[in-house]
Amino acid sequence: KAGVTQTPRYLIKTRGQQVTLSCSPISGHRSVSWYQQTPGQGLQFLFEYFSETQRNKGNFPGRFSGRQFSNSRSEMNVSTLELGDSALYLCASRRNPGQGNEKLFFGSGTQLSVL
Amino acid sequence: AQTVTQSQPEMSVQEAETVTLSCTYDTSESDYYLFWYKQPPSRQMILVIRQEAYKQQNATENRFSVNFQKAAKSFSLKISDSQLGDAAMYFCAYRSVQGAQKLVFGQGTRLTINP
Repeated sequence: KAGVTQTPRYLIKTRGQQVTLSCSPISGHRSVSWYQQTPGQGLQFLFEYFSETQRNKGNFPGRFSGRQFSNSRSEMNVSTLELGDSALYLCASRRNPGQGNEKLFFGSGTQLSVL
Repeated sequence: AQTVTQSQPEMSVQEAETVTLSCTYDTSESDYYLFWYKQPPSRQMILVIRQEAYKQQNATENRFSVNFQKAAKSFSLKISDSQLGDAAMYFCAYRSVQGAQKLVFGQGTRLTINP
């Protein structure tokens, strides 16, 4: 069974540009979450999608957005990139968000560098 | 809001020895879940062990065990018979049972295994 797949693995952008990251969850998983990891702020929750609907959103500006497709694949978009957006973006999937102790499966992340 | 604190940025241990990683958290909730995740150089977050707060018995997974002290809001991870493959960043995480079931992470502890 394939794991959570994130593309691309590395990305370099310049300030002001926008970027789209992709996440394909494990087959059968309908919930996808996104996390930002930086050396300074650590791991922070961005948002979670389930059945194409955003269930929860973290404390990030509106430049950060996401969506989920009918096949459960998810994309996140960051517009007007800032230097501080440089981070590892991790995607995680689970079967459904009904139980809080359900195991989350993470991808290997997309490393975004903003120059 | 819940917070998770890992007071040991770095730890090292001799191969085959035992090491304990510390974690404390703050919450007003009575029911929740706690997790330890491992992040090796591949960057993929891997679940090591999880604990339901309503269970008094400490969770155990092979060489990994926790010491869960609910009143003290402490959740330490003990790794027995340390192996070279255990070298990684370890993150303690909290998740609510209800509401936004996002993971709240600590800042992490870098574990080095000395051969």
